Amino acid sequence: EDQVTQSPEALRLQEGESSSLNCSYTVSGLRGLFWYRQDPGKGPEFLFTLYSAGEEKEKERLKATLTKKESFLHITAPKPEDSATYLCAAPLGSGGYNKLIFGAGTRLAVHP
Amino acid sequence: DTGVSQNPRHKITKRGQNVTFRCDPISEHNRLYWYRQTLGQGPEFLTYFQNEAQLEKSRLLSDRFSAERPKGSFSTLEIQRTEQGDSAMYLCASSATGSIEPQHFGDGTRLSIL
Repeated sequence: EDQVTQSPEALRLQEGESSSLNCSYTVSGLRGLFWYRQDPGKGPEFLFTLYSAGEEKEKERLKATLTKKESFLHITAPKPEDSATYLCAAPLGSGGYNKLIFGAGTRLAVHP
Repeated sequence: DTGVSQNPRHKITKRGQNVTFRCDPISEHNRLYWYRQTLGQGPEFLTYFQNEAQLEKSRLLSDRFSAERPKGSFSTLEIQRTEQGDSAMYLCASSATGSIEPQHFGDGTRLSIL
């Protein structure tokens, strides 16, 4: 069964304290993996697409990496404005389109 | 690029009533998706449109749910005879046509059933 699992469920950091969020997946024939950020009461905001194992993408204090079994979202020197829920998602579908299967997310709180 | 727009943002209704939500995708996007998200969970796929054709429906989409995308532009999601379990955030996303194109989400419609 295709599945995406994220850990930890919640993470509390002090401002400047770097850490990593994990996304493990069991998806046959993975064609890519997406990371999204979601603020309370808002829809998910696209961050990164990772296409193959070994790939890395960076944006400001965030860096996403992908292996054959999992993906990490590294947060370097976070700020309070990085507080949000971070979701990873894998595309499924063989018809040329991509319905996404999401993990439950990691709720990140960064305190000053 | 004005983003994906969803209306209304919030809907409160009594059990048994019918509700309809609207989604306006990014104008050049042919692909449109509906998802449902409950508290503490990630979004779950409901249905997919390629232009005006509805090509896939999840088993989560019972016969009380119907979605349309007339003329391949905006889409509507209707829930008939609402039940308590329908309370959730309903999210719409659109994407360009391509192998692995990211989906861009609207801010959703939050449905509360009294």
